[in-house]
Amino acid sequence: DTGVSQDPRHKITKRGQNVTFRCDPISEHNRLYWYRQTLGQGPEFLTYFQNEAQLEKSRLLSDRFSAERPKGSFSTLEIQRTEQGDSAMYLCASSLGTGTGGFDEQFFGPGTRLTVL
Amino acid sequence: GENVEQHPSTLSVQEGDSAVIKCTYSDSASNYFPWYKQELGKRPQLIIDIRSNVGEKKDQRIAVTLNKTAKHFSLHITETQPEDSAVYFCAASPIKAAGNKLTFGGGTRVLVKP
Repeated sequence: DTGVSQDPRHKITKRGQNVTFRCDPISEHNRLYWYRQTLGQGPEFLTYFQNEAQLEKSRLLSDRFSAERPKGSFSTLEIQRTEQGDSAMYLCASSLGTGTGGFDEQFFGPGTRLTVL
Repeated sequence: GENVEQHPSTLSVQEGDSAVIKCTYSDSASNYFPWYKQELGKRPQLIIDIRSNVGEKKDQRIAVTLNKTAKHFSLHITETQPEDSAVYFCAASPIKAAGNKLTFGGGTRVLVKP
């Protein structure tokens, strides 16, 4: 499968626990995005990377959230001290990244559905 | 920041009829407007997009129009088929050298009745 992959696909955790999700982008895509989608809503931007550099973080991303992309390939999103309000689908997307300000289609992964009890 | 409004939230059409979804955006710097289709339990997939130097774009049964002055854009699906049933999201983004974060609308659930 050459598309964006995410692991795990489902995660159930208890409030207060830490969770970590992984995203593997399409090979050679140097931009990687994280979005959060709650039921019946559109995805909301969380953060994105150009190679290993995290270039922007949404105000939605509290200090309990941290994302990394250490070698410019896969990325992890960690949520510490989870709360019930963190329950959502966490989507990862990647794009080729022309670096010239041009068209840059984002390809989405299947998402990780988080349920916080 | 950017704000994207999408209407209607649900749309039921008879097979063969047309479906139109409308979006408005707030940030005049936005110049890239993709549309994604998301089937139940699946990932969002790009179906068509338009950039601000183009007023209209068509791909088979789907078309998108853009009015930058009024800050609105629309998706048109003609000759709808049952497989068009899904949730459709519009989005807006400024194209920048360092990446383009997407701001999505709330989605339109389209049901095509056979």
